[in-house]
Amino acid sequence: SQTIHQWPATLVQPVGSPLSLECTVEGTSNPNLYWYRQAAGRGLQLLFYSVGIGQISSEVPQNLSASRPQDRQFILSSKKLLLSDSGFYLCASGQGYEQYFGPGTRLTVT
Amino acid sequence: KQEVTQIPAALSVPEGENLVLNCSFTDSAIYNLQWFRQDPGKGLTSLLLIQSSQREQTSGRLNASLDKSSGRSTLYIAASQPGDSATYLCAVSPVGSGNTGKLIFGQGTTLQVKP
Repeated sequence: SQTIHQWPATLVQPVGSPLSLECTVEGTSNPNLYWYRQAAGRGLQLLFYSVGIGQISSEVPQNLSASRPQDRQFILSSKKLLLSDSGFYLCASGQGYEQYFGPGTRLTVT
Repeated sequence: KQEVTQIPAALSVPEGENLVLNCSFTDSAIYNLQWFRQDPGKGLTSLLLIQSSQREQTSGRLNASLDKSSGRSTLYIAASQPGDSATYLCAVSPVGSGNTGKLIFGQGTTLQVKP
């Protein structure tokens, strides 16, 4: 089975600062990778997905970007954080129709 | 545009009760529907996956049904336990998403089982 690692687990950043969240996957190769955001009391919103190295698709216009420098590494970034970027960020790995989720990163922008 | 709705948003039941969580979706063109569990501050764990050609799936005390034509799914939990307390999310994989595996999630039902 797959194991998804995310770090950091929690992060408090001031408005206007940069962001880098990392996700790595074990136990599979060539997975589809996903970044979701979960705001308080709301469902999961798909932000980005990738079907291969260097292939990134954005689902919603926003202040964030994603990159996939290696097969099992997915990075979520921002040059300047906004208050509205606060939330719980989840990375997922999938093959076929099943997705496996990481433990998440709680981001608070102050 | 596919939308997924879960009702109720929150549910509190005494231990031992059987319960049903509901999920509805607006477009019946789906590959499958999945139910996930999320503990507070944690990631998601897949519980059951129902292919579009299937009517139900069972795992232990959990039974999920799918009525694709009416755009509905239910998750039945038998003999609920305090350890079942969590948020339950349903998600559909829409036809047309190709090999992306994209999922569209509902907002979840937060279940509390009281001892």
